[in-house]
Amino acid sequence: QKEVEQDPGPLSVPEGAIVSLNCTYSNSAFQYFMWYRQYSRKGPELLMYTYSSGNKEDGRFTAQVDKSSKYISLFIRDSQPSDSATYLCAMSAGGYNKLIFGAGTRLAVHP
Amino acid sequence: AAGVIQSPRHLIKEKRETATLKCYPIPRHDTVYWYQQGPGQDPQFLISFYEKMQSDKGSIPDRFSAQQFSDYHSELNMSSLELGDSALYFCASSSEKGQGGNTIYFGEGSWLTVV
Repeated sequence: QKEVEQDPGPLSVPEGAIVSLNCTYSNSAFQYFMWYRQYSRKGPELLMYTYSSGNKEDGRFTAQVDKSSKYISLFIRDSQPSDSATYLCAMSAGGYNKLIFGAGTRLAVHP
Repeated sequence: AAGVIQSPRHLIKEKRETATLKCYPIPRHDTVYWYQQGPGQDPQFLISFYEKMQSDKGSIPDRFSAQQFSDYHSELNMSSLELGDSALYFCASSSEKGQGGNTIYFGEGSWLTVV
């Protein structure tokens, strides 16, 4: 079993929909939680960063972390076709520990 | 703002050849990470360096080696290349002292094709 589990999708939604992306993890040492957006053949772009449990909002994006359930989510409001990409969750125990990625969820937002 | 710079962006090599990828981290970042991402795969951690010393090691083949230099740039050396080494290689950097703690930023990647 992988340390981080993420449904690879694909997920197809109409423009304007609310998108919910999720990851579960098994390592209770993880403290830093991130969401990256990756377009085809491009580097992962940091979208959201959260330390420990709680919510964080940035524009149309909201990240939630529930450490008790080992579950993190990313919500995208008013989704746009330009949001079509692969979304990778990633987490780390902190310090200089490596990021562990989920498999990535492919999202397609159609007009 | 300056980002992580990787070179070359694209590289084609034959089997059993050697390739070297370079990474220039964000200024004042002291930690560099290397990841390998195969087609349709999530990035797999290879190796990382903090202050020019290896800090962690992942699924890096023995044919690969890496180092971080005094100016904090890093190089990934890959020898005896195999077809299965064809992938996108990402470098990322972070700084413990930077805002956001352990936020890790990625470069655009170097696309290696082994033929």
